[in-house]
Amino acid sequence: EAQVTQNPRYLITVTGKKLTVTCSQNMNHEYMSWYRQDPGLGLRQIYYSMNVEVTDKGDVPEGYKVSRKEKRNFPLILESPSPNQTSLYFCASSPDWTGNTGELFFGEGSRLTVL
Amino acid sequence: GDSVTQMEGPVTLSEEAFLTINCTYTATGYPSLFWYVQYPGEGLQLLLKATKADDKGSNKGFEATYRKETTSFHLEKGSVQVSDSAVYFCALSGGGAQKLVFGQGTRLTINP
Repeated sequence: EAQVTQNPRYLITVTGKKLTVTCSQNMNHEYMSWYRQDPGLGLRQIYYSMNVEVTDKGDVPEGYKVSRKEKRNFPLILESPSPNQTSLYFCASSPDWTGNTGELFFGEGSRLTVL
Repeated sequence: GDSVTQMEGPVTLSEEAFLTINCTYTATGYPSLFWYVQYPGEGLQLLLKATKADDKGSNKGFEATYRKETTSFHLEKGSVQVSDSAVYFCALSGGGAQKLVFGQGTRLTINP
């Protein structure tokens, strides 16, 4: 089954404790991206990757890191989480990014709470 | 920068009612426009899209028409069902940015 898999789905952690949210897709997609969803703000892009070893900042990259060492994986790293990073996180992928197609395939989301 | 504004929610309707969720956008150039739907506990999935002015996107009984003159892309459905209860997001892409720009989302609840 074609899918984007995120782990963990739910996590409660404390300020400053490094964590990684994994994202894996089995569709051989070149483009991958992370969004965060906050009430009243919709989804905002954190980072994206056009292909292996190519990553770039989105609109809200502060406090996050990513890597793209393999095509299928695009982990999101919070080196020192803070309470303002409490959010619902989505990983998404697409065969490539042309803009016109606009079809992103989303994971089920990872709800992160930072105390 | 580009932006999308949706009508405030939540929206609550009875089954078989007519649905409209308003969406307007601000963008340079000629963006492509999308509606995504998020069912409870799931990720977003593409509902419909339109890539140029006057195009109509449709899927599962939902429709939206790309209106360049009013910069709008309102979502409509003639007769909603309980299973349509979800959060709906309007989005655009364009201007060379490698991302979708989303509205804030509208939560829809359909009562039997």
